[in-house]
Amino acid sequence: DIQMTQSPSSLSASVGDRVTITCQASQDISNYLNWYQQKPGKAPKLLIYDVSTLETGVPPRFSGSGSGTDFTFTISSLQPEDVATYYCQQYDKLPLTFGGGTQVEIK
Amino acid sequence: QVQLVQSGAEVKKPGSSVKVSCKASGDTFSKYCISWVRQAPGQGLEWMGGIIPLFTTVNYAQKFQGRVTFTAVESTSTAYMELSSLRSEDTAMYYCASGEGYNYFDSWGQGTLVSVSS
Repeated sequence: DIQMTQSPSSLSASVGDRVTITCQASQDISNYLNWYQQKPGKAPKLLIYDVSTLETGVPPRFSGSGSGTDFTFTISSLQPEDVATYYCQQYDKLPLTFGGGTQVEIK
Repeated sequence: QVQLVQSGAEVKKPGSSVKVSCKASGDTFSKYCISWVRQAPGQGLEWMGGIIPLFTTVNYAQKFQGRVTFTAVESTSTAYMELSSLRSEDTAMYYCASGEGYNYFDSWGQGTLVSVSS
């Protein structure tokens, strides 16, 4: 199985800060990488697919980049409504696998 | 996109089985892939496998092979996940999620909490 390693596991930042989360795959997954946001008590929500394509309706402060094994998710200006846990997910090979998650809080 | 609505919370005894439903609306059910993802309390997301109703093909994550069964009824646009030989470690929120294949999930059910306790 492809292991997805996210870091950090949690972070605290101020409103307006730039926030970056990394996701590393245990093998080359090309650009088959997605990002989800999960708010407490809610189902996950797709934010970005295929590394950098924003899902319809997702604010442009969210972005993604990378290829191969190393990927980055960025919130350019953190907002209070961005408090959530973020997960990366690969779909290069079955089984689909997720990163362990990054909990984002407001300082 | 489809909209997905799941059945309600379940409380089960160890060794029993649970069957969770996921009803789709808003688009042609059979063309989508319905995956099942579970999340233990305070933990991350775990893909259990999926079903493509159009082809009645299923894929199970090896961890659940032999203990989980996915089915789909096209006439009611409903997918089902049945998990047997339940143990306390199966206590989790179970989500169905849809996509156009085994790629990304652009629609999720609200989740079904399954609690396993003696």
